[in-house]
Amino acid sequence: AQKITQTQPGMFVQEKEAVTLDCTYDTSDQSYGLFWYKQPSSGEMIFLIYQGSYDEQNATEGRYSLNFQKARKSANLVISASQLGDSAMYFCAMREGQDDKIIFGKGTRLHILP
Amino acid sequence: DTEVTQTPKHLVMGMTNKKSLKCEQHMGHRAMYWYKQKAKKPPELMFVYSYEKLSINESVPSRFSPECPNSSLLNLHLHALQPEDSALYLCASSQWDSSHQETQYFGPGTRLLVL
Repeated sequence: AQKITQTQPGMFVQEKEAVTLDCTYDTSDQSYGLFWYKQPSSGEMIFLIYQGSYDEQNATEGRYSLNFQKARKSANLVISASQLGDSAMYFCAMREGQDDKIIFGKGTRLHILP
Repeated sequence: DTEVTQTPKHLVMGMTNKKSLKCEQHMGHRAMYWYKQKAKKPPELMFVYSYEKLSINESVPSRFSPECPNSSLLNLHLHALQPEDSALYLCASSQWDSSHQETQYFGPGTRLLVL
């Protein structure tokens, strides 16, 4: 079974609209961490946001927020007021417990339309 | 400073060559990673070093040989590669902060072409 599932291979969104990128995860660990990354066509992987499993508040970083629903094992990324520069591949990832391994989902390609 | 640097940016090598990829971070991160990424795919973990010791080797062929000379440096030695090894090689480092928030920063990658 996949540990990280991103069900949207691609999305097209109008500029200035909010975007929600879906991510569900599968783990039996009580302690885990969830990450979101952005990868533009240049190839660089950019860390966006982190949510620990014990964090009660949803993580936020500027225009990025993580909608963490623990019971549903869901960690969706919300981008407010999208910009053309947000066009990129977005990856959700998870670390289980104190494992050194970070597991990536297959990614969602986001296209922002002018 | 949240920078991870990688050299070279691009590398073309023949199947009989020996080359090395280098990665450096000065954030004091305890863990460093090598990933391989093919086009339109997620990164695949290759190796993890934790406190300068190899903690994970994801069954990577021996033609890839990692080395961690100190806590800031990570090398990937390449020898007798195959054309299917052509990919983007990403280095990353990570650390937890005092509030148990983790960050993982990636370098810009080395685009490797094996002829």
